[in-house]
Amino acid sequence: EVQMVASGGDLVQPGGSLRLSCAASGFTFTDYWMIWVRQVPGKGLEWVSNMDRDGSDKYYVASVRGRFTISRDNAKSSLYLEMNNLRAEDTAVYYCARGVNRWTDYWGQGTLVTVSS
Amino acid sequence: DVVMTQSPLSLPVTLGQAASISCRSSQSLVHSDGNTFLTWFQQRPGQSPRLLIHKVSNRGSGVPDRFSGSGSGTDFTLKISRVEAEDVGVYYCMQSTKWPPTFGQGTKLEIK
Repeated sequence: EVQMVASGGDLVQPGGSLRLSCAASGFTFTDYWMIWVRQVPGKGLEWVSNMDRDGSDKYYVASVRGRFTISRDNAKSSLYLEMNNLRAEDTAVYYCARGVNRWTDYWGQGTLVTVSS
Repeated sequence: DVVMTQSPLSLPVTLGQAASISCRSSQSLVHSDGNTFLTWFQQRPGQSPRLLIHKVSNRGSGVPDRFSGSGSGTDFTLKISRVEAEDVGVYYCMQSTKWPPTFGQGTKLEIK
């Protein structure tokens, strides 16, 4: 069974940092590109970042570029999102998702990041 | 970025009746390779999004055949032939022809 378990969400002050993790299982991690998508509670979805299978190609949405860093450890079947200089508008549930071709076919359960003083 | 506009935003439906959701894009979603990367997701209350349809009309694994997708260019539709109680939730379209992928605002389906 495909599973992706996101963790690391927390309450953090503006300007603070956080590292999200996503542990994947039930599939060959290296066969897929991976994505982070966020959702403000009660609102819509926003694509945040994606990384290809070997980590050589990365994309960031403009609002997080320069502050967030996506990475993966294929030996551990894990995806990460390092978030620095956090802002109130980064408050959201962060989902990791599996990429196939040009869409996503499975999403993890999400982890809540709250940026507030 | 490509703007995706869904309608309606709220969709009350009687059990057993059909439902239809529209999704329009601000630009053509036909990729240079000839494919159209338009995806539909379902998000049930308290759950993560689930893939329903990819490339306009291809159902994801395990998706019931009462869900169907159609459309071309900038105009797309998700249809549910006979709504069941488990279909309650929010439905999103997403384009991934042009980067970054962008989502519609969501359509909340509820039972009358």
